[in-house]
Amino acid sequence: EADIYQTPRYLVIGTGKKITLECSQTMGHDKMYWYQQDPGMELHLIHYSYGVNSTEKGDLSSESTVSRIRTEHFPLTLESARPSHTSQYLCASSVRVSGANVLTFGAGSRLTVL
Amino acid sequence: KNQVEQSPQSLIILEGKNCTLQCNYTVSPFSNLRWYKQDTGRGPVSLTIMTFSENTKSNGRYTATLDADTKQSSLHITASQLSDSASYICVVSDRGSTLGRLYFGRGTQLTVWP
Repeated sequence: EADIYQTPRYLVIGTGKKITLECSQTMGHDKMYWYQQDPGMELHLIHYSYGVNSTEKGDLSSESTVSRIRTEHFPLTLESARPSHTSQYLCASSVRVSGANVLTFGAGSRLTVL
Repeated sequence: KNQVEQSPQSLIILEGKNCTLQCNYTVSPFSNLRWYKQDTGRGPVSLTIMTFSENTKSNGRYTATLDADTKQSSLHITASQLSDSASYICVVSDRGSTLGRLYFGRGTQLTVWP
């Protein structure tokens, strides 16, 4: 059973609303990530963090922002949601095993913006 | 350009049958290759991870192979079960940074029929 939790699992909101997707992990991992995934497409990294007070933008440009005030918590915020933000957002954390960063994913948050 | 290509895009098999999924990559310098299983509406779950020196790794009914010379990997599923229905994602990591950048394939959607 995964030790990384995302809420809400599903969210339907109107254009212009501010939303925050929550992500928490209980494994004490320093590295955390946010990925965006559209149906039938590959995952795209939008944000990552090496640890507390460390956040970086990923490969895919995103209007969302993240914060890392506590090791276990890595929320993602959209100040003004638009229909183009409709997607599945996956949070992950990782630990290094035999030289490789092994990722554990949350169940995802599916966002629909009307 | 670093890429990960998976085939087939989708596959339907009968319960109890075997199947093999393919992954070709151009990622360089290569660090490791992972196979993930993603159930509908869930986050990916790691099945196997292989480094350059490993050419086969098993996890129950799942067996992954890696040919680092031809840059090909396969995932073989033996005696398929209905619960094997999912998307199987090939992920390749490079050695270009401390983080180890991940390149995701689009996945093979497997459906197992009774």
